[in-house]
Amino acid sequence: KAGVTQTPRYLIKTRGQQVTLSCSPISGHRSVSWYQQTPGQGLQFLFEYFSETQRNKGNFPGRFSGRQFSNSRSEMNVSTLELGDSALYLCASSWTGSEGYTFGSGTRLTVV
Amino acid sequence: AQRVTQPEKLLSVFKGAPVELKCNYSYSGSPELFWYVQYSRQRLQLLLRHISRESIKGFTADLNKGETSFHLKKPFAQEEDSAMYYCALSGRNYGGSQGNLIFGKGTKLSVKP
Repeated sequence: KAGVTQTPRYLIKTRGQQVTLSCSPISGHRSVSWYQQTPGQGLQFLFEYFSETQRNKGNFPGRFSGRQFSNSRSEMNVSTLELGDSALYLCASSWTGSEGYTFGSGTRLTVV
Repeated sequence: AQRVTQPEKLLSVFKGAPVELKCNYSYSGSPELFWYVQYSRQRLQLLLRHISRESIKGFTADLNKGETSFHLKKPFAQEEDSAMYYCALSGRNYGGSQGNLIFGKGTKLSVKP
């Protein structure tokens, strides 16, 4: 079966712009979580969606937002990009969220 | 505060030697703990869940609530075990989901021939 698919793989954006990242979970998975990975802070939880509802949220500013569609696909948006937003953004999916998560390969965002 | 600490950034052992990757956590409640592994140029993948008490690729991990630890162990390391290992804690108090994982900074295991 297909794994978790994240698009695009790489992005370069300018400070002040906004960006949208996409995640297609494994078929049937209803829980989608997003993480930011940086060399300094490591892996940090952004938010989790389940059946189109945000169920959990990490400690990130409001510039970071997300949503989930009825087919469980999810998008995250970052507005007014800052240099510090440069990171690998990982998406992970699970059936219900009560078992282990399967991760995607990530989208590497570079803000210049 | 909920926190996961992996004290070693890098652990280097020889093939056939025992390996122990340390993980300590801070959590007020009943924790759900996991080990994730990332091999070179591969995705992050689940290795172990404490709740299932299983052994995967020869690795085991026991939850010690008294010492708030969840160390990963393998009696005889293999070269193919070389990877980045992350210990993670599930913040189940947020609605029962395990989707909000708190990760340690990771330990890079290098197994030398």
